[in-house]
Amino acid sequence: EPEVTQTPSHQVTQMGQEVILRCVPISNHLYFYWYRQILGQKVEFLVSFYNNEISEKSEIFDDQFSVERPDGSNFTLKIRSTKLEDSAMYFCASTMIMGRWSNQPQHFGDGTRLSIL
Amino acid sequence: AQKVTQAQTEISVVEKEDVTLDCVYETRDTTYYLFWYKQPPSGELVFLIRRNSFDEQNEISGRYSWNFQKSTSSFNFTITASQVVDSAVYFCALDDDKIIFGKGTRLHILP
Repeated sequence: EPEVTQTPSHQVTQMGQEVILRCVPISNHLYFYWYRQILGQKVEFLVSFYNNEISEKSEIFDDQFSVERPDGSNFTLKIRSTKLEDSAMYFCASTMIMGRWSNQPQHFGDGTRLSIL
Repeated sequence: AQKVTQAQTEISVVEKEDVTLDCVYETRDTTYYLFWYKQPPSGELVFLIRRNSFDEQNEISGRYSWNFQKSTSSFNFTITASQVVDSAVYFCALDDDKIIFGKGTRLHILP
């Protein structure tokens, strides 16, 4: 079964550095998402992306964050100047058809654990 | 407001006992999907079930069963004859174009 893949599985970065988290969504999917989970807390929506544009973003997704689909397969999340509080697990997800009325579920990757030192 | 509440923060049971994880949701929609995910210590999200609001039949999959009650906006999850490998954090979630997760219930199965 096709999978969403995320690399790296663990990223350690110095505070203030830029970091790029990478995701390869399922190939025929059109909608892409990033979620964040701070250690011990719930999974929170960051951003959704469709047709090379952000569809929706949460209040967490401030100017330090950006997303890009640089080619036909990758979907990236960039954090410009990392802070200690950016330490979290970041999940990528994709789906073919978006919407609470769709019968197409979101497929999640295994996550990238980001540690800011 | 779209919201998922898992009132049980942490539960501990002895192996082989049955355990029920509660989930209550709020939604403005008449059609919606609900989910349960398992998060083992390794951190990935393991999809367990996705349920359409039209389908109120209870579902059973091996030792897992789900009770969906639209009248009380609840979607509870029961593990029968629990095993140590069931120890994990379990999240209930609601599809609102993006997925809205509850805070999770940490389940400890004691040998």
